Formats: sequence, structure tokens, C-alpha cells
Amino acid sequence: SAVISQKPSRDICQRGTSLTIQCQVDSQVTMMFWYRQQPGQSLTLIATANQGSEATYESGFVIDKFPISRPNLTFSTLTVSNMSPEDSSIYLCSVVPGGWNTEAFFGQGTRLTVV
Amino acid sequence: GENVEQHPSTLSVQEGDSAVIKCTYSDSASNYFPWYKQELGKRPQLIIDIRSNVGEKKDQRIAVTLNKTAKHFSLHITETQPEDSAVYFCAASSGNTPLVFGKGTRLSVIA
Repeated sequence: SAVISQKPSRDICQRGTSLTIQCQVDSQVTMMFWYRQQPGQSLTLIATANQGSEATYESGFVIDKFPISRPNLTFSTLTVSNMSPEDSSIYLCSVVPGGWNTEAFFGQGTRLTVV
Repeated sequence: GENVEQHPSTLSVQEGDSAVIKCTYSDSASNYFPWYKQELGKRPQLIIDIRSNVGEKKDQRIAVTLNKTAKHFSLHITETQPEDSAVYFCAASSGNTPLVFGKGTRLSVIA
């Protein structure tokens, strides 16, 4: 299993600014994922972050808008850059400590509101 | 890439009745099918999963069935209780790809 601490839990930001979300895991994990969940919607994968390599972004998400850092096997950050109201959403990090095709664990989410 | 369709989007049942949520997937290479429960304001949590070498799996009041030929899998909750009220997500993945989630089903259990 894995326990993930995600910060901040919520924030209200001005448009045009940036917010960095942090996830700290209580064990070393190879794969970490960042998802976006718009209100009442499903989880959409933004990118996969592996330590020591560039993050892999899904279609529709770009590094300039969502830069990711993965400095070690227990920590990652996602930055939402140059925010607009359309970026208002819940952002979650996730890990699969058992490897592919095993249980995914999620952070508690960051509820972002852009005004 | 994988596409997961989930139905219904909302479901209301009387306490004690059964609830069934269905999902279909598009990628025949997918071999792992978990179900997550997300209570309001909480993080998603795994409730049951099934792999492609198994047709059915049960855990107390929860069961999942998989039909690989038809590319669909279903979640069955029996003897529903008010605490089963939540949003349920199905997902699918192959051996080395991230989970792709369905759009979710909001289940309401009416006491």
C-alpha cells in the first residue's frame, strides 16, 4: 500500500498566476501519475512522472502548461501555469506501488478555483 | 488508445436492492479492470478488481464479472446500504499503460 500526502488541499488563484501542487509518498515508487477531475466528471490522466526522466504527457496536455518535477522516488510536483478559469478543477496524484496492473492509490486531491 | 464507456451515469436503488453498473472497453490488449469508489470530497479507493484470466470475482456484497469476448465488465452490489452511496468508476489498462477511467456512476441508495 501507499499513503500519499498532497498539498495544498484547495486554493483560489488569480488568472494568469501559477500554482504548484506537491505529492509526498510514504514509500519509494517508480511510477507516479497526475490526474485532473473536473466537477462531477471522471479522472483524466495529465501525465506520467518517472524519476530521472521527462514526464510523459497525454494528448491535450503540454509541458509548458503543466510542468512536472520528479526529483526522487517519493516526491513529485505539478505546476498549473498561466491559469485561466478553465483550469478550475481537482488535481490528484496517484501511485501504483505494486507495479502495473495493481492497486492505484490517490492523494486527497487539490481543489483549484481560478478567478 | 483505450476508451472506457460506463453506464448508467446515475442510479437510484432502494436500500436492500441490488445495483449493477456496466462498462465496455475498446482495447483488446487490456487485461486489468479495477473499480473505484469515490465518496463526496474524498479520494478514489479501490473496491474490487479483476484480471483477464478470471471471469468473476466476489468480495462479500460486491462482485465483478468480465466478458473478454464482448469487452465488457460489470459491478454488482447486493443488499445495498446507504453507505454504498458514492460515485463508482470503472477502469481498464493493459500490461504497461496507465488506467483509463469511465465517466462514473453516481449511486444513491434510498433508505
